[in-house]
Amino acid sequence: DTAVSQTPKYLVTQMGNDKSIKCEQNLGHDTMYWYKQDSKKFLKIMFSYNNKELIINETVPNRFSPKSPDKAHLNLHINSLELGDSAVYFCASSQTIHGELFFGEGSRLTVL
Amino acid sequence: EDKVVQSPLSLVVHEGDTVTLNCSYEVTNFRSLLWYKQEKKAPTFLFMLTSSGIEKKSGRLSSILDKKELFSILNITATQTGDSAVYLCAPTGNQFYFGTGTSLTVIP
Repeated sequence: DTAVSQTPKYLVTQMGNDKSIKCEQNLGHDTMYWYKQDSKKFLKIMFSYNNKELIINETVPNRFSPKSPDKAHLNLHINSLELGDSAVYFCASSQTIHGELFFGEGSRLTVL
Repeated sequence: EDKVVQSPLSLVVHEGDTVTLNCSYEVTNFRSLLWYKQEKKAPTFLFMLTSSGIEKKSGRLSSILDKKELFSILNITATQTGDSAVYLCAPTGNQFYFGTGTSLTVIP
């Protein structure tokens, strides 16, 4: 069983479209995250949810909207996609806010 | 401003060599420092360090934290081609911060 799973793994879309990436964890963790990894491999946190509540909201465009329907899910919706949004998006979870992160396999988004 | 600096940025060594990767940090409300290995896909956990001076070991890998000087090192002895990866350090404070990583290439 995959601990943290993301779908889709690959996403190719046109500028201006809206897309969503879903994430689910079956570890019973309280905290979930979205990270963006750019072409230079720099991992930057975007959002963090603890028990379905937003606790970290870094400076990302408001075209990005996370949604946590329950503790096990954290989805990422992106409106009006831009070229610069092309990256690998990683979902992660941890038992506590400062605990070991478990990562999903990543979703590679390419905006044409 | 919080920051994490890893050095070197990249490293090419031969199998059997020993490498030392560095991570220096300035993080508000520091709690712990984690090391991750990233090959083709997601980062995988290596170590979590919370106390100064206590070495953590796992096989050929070891790591230590210096909370006074604000740095950590990751050592890999007798390197193998399977050690080729990007190694990321992540000090935690008010949030998780990731360094830019050290790209290690081990040549047979």
